[in-house]
Amino acid sequence: NAGVTQTPKFQVLKTGQSMTLQCAQDMNHEYMSWYRQDPGMGLRLIHYSVGAGITDQGEVPNGYNVSRSTTEDFPLRLLSAAPSQTSVYFCASSLTGGMDSTEAFFGQGTRLTVV
Amino acid sequence: AQTVTQSQPEMSVQEAETVTLSCTYDTSESDYYLFWYKQPPSRQMILVIRQEAYKQQNATENRFSVNFQKAAKSFSLKISDSQLGDAAMYFCAYRSAYGGSYIPTFGRGTSLIVHP
Repeated sequence: NAGVTQTPKFQVLKTGQSMTLQCAQDMNHEYMSWYRQDPGMGLRLIHYSVGAGITDQGEVPNGYNVSRSTTEDFPLRLLSAAPSQTSVYFCASSLTGGMDSTEAFFGQGTRLTVV
Repeated sequence: AQTVTQSQPEMSVQEAETVTLSCTYDTSESDYYLFWYKQPPSRQMILVIRQEAYKQQNATENRFSVNFQKAAKSFSLKISDSQLGDAAMYFCAYRSAYGGSYIPTFGRGTSLIVHP
């Protein structure tokens, strides 16, 4: 059981370039989300999805795009990279329902540097 | 929107001693879940402990326990018999129990240093 698979682990982009961070989960989780982690700021929600075909904005959505065509995949697109998007990005997934299924499972993170 | 506050950016503890990390949250909901996650230098996010709001009893997982004060909206983590491997960033998180709000909200984290 792979859990949440996030690729790539490291990436360097030039300002203005675009790229897609991939996220896939094999646990049939309805909820998926993208966070960015910056020093002293914790994890801030970028976008999330409550099921295939449904996405919504989080706290810091500007400059990012998402789609959810399948239950398994939730890619994050950087449209035109800026130095302010230098960060560590995490994808997470979770079920709804009872206590045992409330935990969020995380990918291993992507360290993105925009120069 | 719910907010989670961790007022201690950094804490330190001697090996084998006990340390408490603080977390407060703001919500108007009556049922929700609270979590503590550990993030070691590997960046992996690891669930340490969780608490459901309607349960009065404080959760415990081996050396980790919480002090959940619902009226005060406080959820502190106590680590007993601290070990070098406990050194990490710790995040407190809130998750609603109601549909449409199942995405967790995180605090800014507390960096725990363990001295040998």
